[in-house]
Amino acid sequence: GAGVSQSPRYKVAKRGQDVALRCDPISGHVSLFWYQQALGQGPEFLTYFQNEAQLDKSGLPSDRFFAERPEGSVSTLKIQRTQQEDSAVYLCASSLYREDNEQFFGPGTRLTVL
Amino acid sequence: QQQVKQSPQSLIVQKGGISIINCAYENTAFDYFPWYQQFPGKGPALLIAIRPDVSEKKEGRFTISFNKSAKQFSLHIMDSQPGDSATYFCAARNSGGSNYKLTFGKGTLLTVNP
Repeated sequence: GAGVSQSPRYKVAKRGQDVALRCDPISGHVSLFWYQQALGQGPEFLTYFQNEAQLDKSGLPSDRFFAERPEGSVSTLKIQRTQQEDSAVYLCASSLYREDNEQFFGPGTRLTVL
Repeated sequence: QQQVKQSPQSLIVQKGGISIINCAYENTAFDYFPWYQQFPGKGPALLIAIRPDVSEKKEGRFTISFNKSAKQFSLHIMDSQPGDSATYFCAARNSGGSNYKLTFGKGTLLTVNP
């Protein structure tokens, strides 16, 4: 079946613009994660959803970052008033169950803020 | 606070050689230790994983060695091939936590020369 998909794959924004990044998890997967991967670094946790409930948003770097998953499937990560330090690859991952070990990652969205 | 430390940052190995990547962790609550492989432009993909109740796990050419007392684990790639050239991330998770997030190391760029 299809894996995790993300769109757009690349996004260039001017500083101060708002952006929205989309994640389509594997169908039926309960858990959904967002990670931020800076250049040359490992992914860092941003937020976690179980179905439509956002159970942990402790990794969101500021209140400019907002994520939602209103129907428990597709998720959107929104960044308001983008800053240059927001430039990174944003990865989405899903897993079948909350306790499931394997997280399946999408290809990511590379965000460049000019 | 870097909870998972990974070394080396980069590694060059000849075809047929053994690649060894090391990780150390601090949080004794971690109980699941996966290794992810990432190719350029792709999301991380699970390679192999281990739980602390075993000291070694082997899958094909890939082996994880785990030392619970030292809080260290390593990935060994036997008979390394040019197709193994990628970035490798170790990670850890506390399954008793509330969000099942993965904590990643900073990654190792492996180059296997033909």
